[in-house]
Amino acid sequence: AQTVTQSQPEMSVQEAETVTLSCTYDTSESDYYLFWYKQPPSRQMILVIRQEAYKQQNATENRFSVNFQKAAKSFSLKISDSQLGDAAMYFCAYGPSAGKSTFGDGTTLTVKP
Amino acid sequence: GAVVSQHPSWVICKSGTSVKIECRSLDFQATTMFWYRQFPKQSLMLMATSNEGSKATYEQGVEKDKFLINHASLTLSTLTVTSAHPEDSSFYICSASRFSSGRATDTQYFGPGTRLTVL
Repeated sequence: AQTVTQSQPEMSVQEAETVTLSCTYDTSESDYYLFWYKQPPSRQMILVIRQEAYKQQNATENRFSVNFQKAAKSFSLKISDSQLGDAAMYFCAYGPSAGKSTFGDGTTLTVKP
Repeated sequence: GAVVSQHPSWVICKSGTSVKIECRSLDFQATTMFWYRQFPKQSLMLMATSNEGSKATYEQGVEKDKFLINHASLTLSTLTVTSAHPEDSSFYICSASRFSSGRATDTQYFGPGTRLTVL
């Protein structure tokens, strides 16, 4: 079974600074996808970024980028120029496997003004 | 694109009554929809996978007779909590996978969630 581990329950960053959220996963599959979702206080899950495992190039979406290390099974999220609106719970997810996704326990990010 | 709605956004009911939650994909066809339960400050717990036109697949430990799921069309799935009790109070979230070229794609799009309180 696939597992996703987020080792940082809480992180904080100063506004305009950069922060990196960690995620590791375990799988025996070779073809899969990895995701970072953001859940703000409204609790609406929002897709932040998506990485296809067969692509070596790291995905980037504006201020959000990932460091995907397939051999190490690591998938970290870097948020540059942090904004107050980035404050949320961030979930790393793996999928699909048997049509389902596996989520990590989440990292709560606080942005300090 | 890829908008998923849920209704109601919150509901309060008496113990012993049933509650229905609707999940709709508004601008795409969803072959697969998922139902999750989330407790405060915790991750999403998958309850069941719902495929259009077939019976839902429930995760281990989830009572299928208590949490009835119907996926009647490519845009609508419903979760009915039957004979609800206070321990069923939680935040329920649905998601949908977009149907494309005969297979479900990998990305899940989430509804805004439903907060259920059972008195």
